[in-house]
Amino acid sequence: NAGVMQNPRHLVRRRGQEARLRCSPMKGHSHVYWYRQLPEEGLKFMVYLQKENIIDESGMPKERFSAEFPKEGPSILRIQQVVRGDSAAYFCASSRGTGGAETQYFGPGTRLLVL
Amino acid sequence: GQQLNQSPQSMFIQEGEDVSMNCTSSSIFNTWLWYKQDPGEGPVLLIALYKAGELTSNGRLTAQFGITRKDSFLNISASIPSDVGIYFCAGFTGNQFYFGTGTSLTVIP
Repeated sequence: NAGVMQNPRHLVRRRGQEARLRCSPMKGHSHVYWYRQLPEEGLKFMVYLQKENIIDESGMPKERFSAEFPKEGPSILRIQQVVRGDSAAYFCASSRGTGGAETQYFGPGTRLLVL
Repeated sequence: GQQLNQSPQSMFIQEGEDVSMNCTSSSIFNTWLWYKQDPGEGPVLLIALYKAGELTSNGRLTAQFGITRKDSFLNISASIPSDVGIYFCAGFTGNQFYFGTGTSLTVIP
């Protein structure tokens, strides 16, 4: 059973370019979460999605950041016009979404470096 | 968003010693999860707890879901060098996951 997949593992962008981060949840999981982590810091929640729906985007910056989880294909976190402050590790996690007791599994992360 | 209070923030211990860390919250959780994160990697699930009072072990690791549903602890017995890393707790309210700020563990051989 494949775990949560993220690609690319490392991404280098120049200021002003776009960054696209992909996440394929575990098989059978319909809920996806994106987190951001700066060096030596904890995980900061960004957005929570179900298929074709954004459930909670309270942690996502209002500008330049967007996320989607289409009916087919991976979830995408998109950062437009990247700035140096966007450099961080971005983690995706997935869960079954059955409610009640839930377990969340993480992918290996995408490390974004903005030059 | 809400953060769980995780303590201690960091620990330096001798190999072979036991370790204990805990998380507390003002909110009630349906699930408590404990993760370990190695440098450059994603968090890996260690133990999941689903019922108040539940005590679960995974090798040298033991975790408990507090009776009040507002806290949890993780114990590591007989620590070894590969236990080094950052340990995170997470709680699920039924709607959302919340994470602790992490405990950085250093094991001195």
